[in-house]
Amino acid sequence: DAKTTQPPSMDCAEGRAANLPCNHSTISGNEYVYWYRQIHSQGPQYIIHGLKNNETNEMASLIITEDRKSSTLILPHATLRDTAVYYCTAQNFGNEKLTFGTGTRLTIIP
Amino acid sequence: NAGVTQTPKFQVLKTGQSMTLQCAQDMNHEYMSWYRQDPGMGLRLIHYSVGAGITDQGEVPNGYNVSRSTTEDFPLRLLSAAPSQTSVYFCASSILAGKYEQYFGPGTRLTVT
Repeated sequence: DAKTTQPPSMDCAEGRAANLPCNHSTISGNEYVYWYRQIHSQGPQYIIHGLKNNETNEMASLIITEDRKSSTLILPHATLRDTAVYYCTAQNFGNEKLTFGTGTRLTIIP
Repeated sequence: NAGVTQTPKFQVLKTGQSMTLQCAQDMNHEYMSWYRQDPGMGLRLIHYSVGAGITDQGEVPNGYNVSRSTTEDFPLRLLSAAPSQTSVYFCASSILAGKYEQYFGPGTRLTVT
């Protein structure tokens, strides 16, 4: 499975859009990009995933570049409750070893 | 659905003691996994299972045993606890390995003195 690289930390002002980047330059054609977040010390929570098209759900938007080597998770109007560690992973069907990197610690500033 | 449940929430062990961390899911998921998370670190995969009767090692399996006798349960055993196993342990499940998102339990915070 592809290795992902994320910045260790980011700040964002409350009410602004938070844009979290992820590099996955070795991703294969059938690997999906998944995003999770972990609030404080709770269990991680699934946010969104995509293959090549941009995706949007009630939590966030996912923008994947045309060459699929990177993606950006967008939280459109960040609130204090969005302060968390965000993990980007790449996975595909049959990939049994689902590993996580160290993620990006996002802090929303009041 | 209760989702993924873990017991206990907190545990303190002395070096050399053994214990089992319990994990159960009621979503009929085939794939289950165990991760550990050390302070300020990401999640590291310990063991995983793609179905009842099938288990395999993850990134950091030493010191841990698992079994999967039913679809619902995936216990993690520490045979002889060491201070290096002090960590927060998360269990997760998914419909199928790699194809769908994982659902995580609330975690077990383990301290080994």
